[in-house]
Amino acid sequence: EAGVVQSPRYKIIEKKQPVAFWCNPISGHNTLYWYRQNLGQGPELLIRYENEEAVDDSQLPKDRFSAERLKGVDSTLKIQPAELGDSAVYLCASSPGTGASPLHFGNGTRLTVT
Amino acid sequence: KNEVEQSPQNLTAQEGEFITINCSYSVGISALHWLQQHPGGGIVSLFMLSSGKKKHGRLIATINIQEKHSSLHITASHPRDSAVYICAVGSLSGSARQLTFGSGTQLTVLP
Repeated sequence: EAGVVQSPRYKIIEKKQPVAFWCNPISGHNTLYWYRQNLGQGPELLIRYENEEAVDDSQLPKDRFSAERLKGVDSTLKIQPAELGDSAVYLCASSPGTGASPLHFGNGTRLTVT
Repeated sequence: KNEVEQSPQNLTAQEGEFITINCSYSVGISALHWLQQHPGGGIVSLFMLSSGKKKHGRLIATINIQEKHSSLHITASHPRDSAVYICAVGSLSGSARQLTFGSGTQLTVLP
């Protein structure tokens, strides 16, 4: 089966510019996560979707971050405007929507804000 | 909130050595995941376990629910095992799909 696909792989932007990340989860996976990972740290959850519904976005900085998962499949994560502190790897993961189940991660998008 | 502690933070080993990475957590869990992250960012799920022991090739994962502790073992380590190994736990409270991640163990295996 195809894995979780993320794009772009790398992105370099100047501060105050907008940026968007895209994720295509594994077919049939109802649960989709966006994580942010800073250097030397574990991933931190930004938002979790069950189908098209955002069920946990408590860690999403809503003043500048937004996400959507139209039709409960692909998802986009947007930052506008980006700040220097947003430089990190943004990871998308998906899992089947039934109880505790394995996570499947994409390769991530490495964002550098200059 | 579940606190997840991994040790050691960094580990350097010679090829062929037996390696152990530890993970401790503070509250009851539904499942524990061991993940591998290579340079470049991609994360691969190695194991998901809620009790006992699992083995896949040279990798073995064990969990002791009473002691709230898990270990990841690598037998006959190889330079290609060099990566960051991350422990993540799903809490009993709330959704099992809410995970708390450790900060990872950087493993370097020297030829």
